[in-house]
Formats: sequence, structure tokens, C-alpha cells
Amino acid sequence: AQTVTQSQPEMSVQEAETVTLSCTYDTSESNYYLFWYKQPPSRQMILVIRQEAYKQQNATENRFSVNFQKAAKSFSLKISDSQLGDTAMYFCAFTINTGNQFYFGTGTSLTVIP
Amino acid sequence: DAGVTQSPTHLIKTRGQQVTLRCSPKSGHDTVSWYQQALGQGPQFIFQYYEEEERQRGNFPDRFSGHQFPNYSSELNVNALLLGDSALYLCASSLAHAGENIQYFGAGTRLSVL
Repeated sequence: AQTVTQSQPEMSVQEAETVTLSCTYDTSESNYYLFWYKQPPSRQMILVIRQEAYKQQNATENRFSVNFQKAAKSFSLKISDSQLGDTAMYFCAFTINTGNQFYFGTGTSLTVIP
Repeated sequence: DAGVTQSPTHLIKTRGQQVTLRCSPKSGHDTVSWYQQALGQGPQFIFQYYEEEERQRGNFPDRFSGHQFPNYSSELNVNALLLGDSALYLCASSLAHAGENIQYFGAGTRLSVL
């Protein structure tokens, strides 16, 4: 079975500080893709960052970076220089190589405090 | 470039009724997936359509059915509504065989069953 676990239901961070959101997953597949999506109050799920499991190098997108530990099945998201607009629900997700369904965690609600 | 659009934004129905939700994929995309997101939960995969056929289905009863049209737009139908069907329904589009395995989401339809 494919599962995603986000153990931090809520987190907060001061503006301009750095925060790390945790995610672990379980799959027996060797080739898959990992994602972090952001869902602000507007409800639209927005892609933050993507990682291919066969790549050892951690993905980065501006202020967002991941720490991908394949053996530990861990995929954490680091947000640097947090901004008020980063306030949202963050979902960790993955899909196996056939690229059909996405498996999502239960989300982490992040609040950036001014 | 229009993103994924869903209609209606909100919908209120009573138990036992039937509902149809609509989705237009991002321009150039040919694959549509539907997800149910209950309050406080991550999205759960319902099914995916490609070339007007249901390609994969999650663990949802037959009351949930769908359709994809030649222009790649899609509908989600739910019959015999239950209170537990109250949720945010998300549509996601992607491009088959693109290799990037990214799904782009709409803002969802909020369904309330009374």
C-alpha cells in the first residue's frame, strides 16, 4: 500500500525565518515522484516543488528546498526567508512511475507570523 | 493560458439527490483526475480519465461516475448523495506521456449535502 504521513498538523514561523515541514511515505516501488503542494484559503492546490526519486540531488525552487532521504523514505520541505504569503496548508504527495493517482498526506497548516 | 477551471464553485444538495460537477483542463492537457477532499484531510483519488476512458479508479463506490468529452473536459457525477459526500471536489489535469508527472489543480467545487 502507498501511504504518506505528515506528523505536524500545525506549525508557525516568524516572518523571514526558516521552517521545515516533515513528510514520510511508504511504497514498495523504486521509481516514483514526490511533490509538495500548497493550498491557500483560496483552495487551489499549487505545486511548490517536485523531486524525482531516481535523482540523488535535492530539488530547489527559489526559497523552497527539499531534503530527500530515499532509504528513510523521508521528504521534508524547507522554506527559507518565510513570507506572509506562505501561510497555507502544505501537502506532501507522491505518484509512482505510471503517473496515475497521487497519494496525499493529511497536510500541515503553516502560519507565518509578522 | 487558462488553468484548470471547475464549476460550480459551491453547491448545496439534499440526501438522495444527484449532482454533476464539471472541469475544464489546462490548455494542452489530455488527462483529468478527480479527488475528494474532506474537511481537514488530504485529497483522496476518485478516478482518472484519458482518451474518454476511465484509466484508474480509487476506492469509491459506483455512485461516483464520470465522463470525459472529446475536448478533454470532464464531469463527475454522484448519485444517491449521502451526508458523508460533503467535501471539496478537486479536478486535476495533466499531459499523458509528458514524463513530468505533474498534476495541475483547479480551485474545486465545495459540495454540501444536507
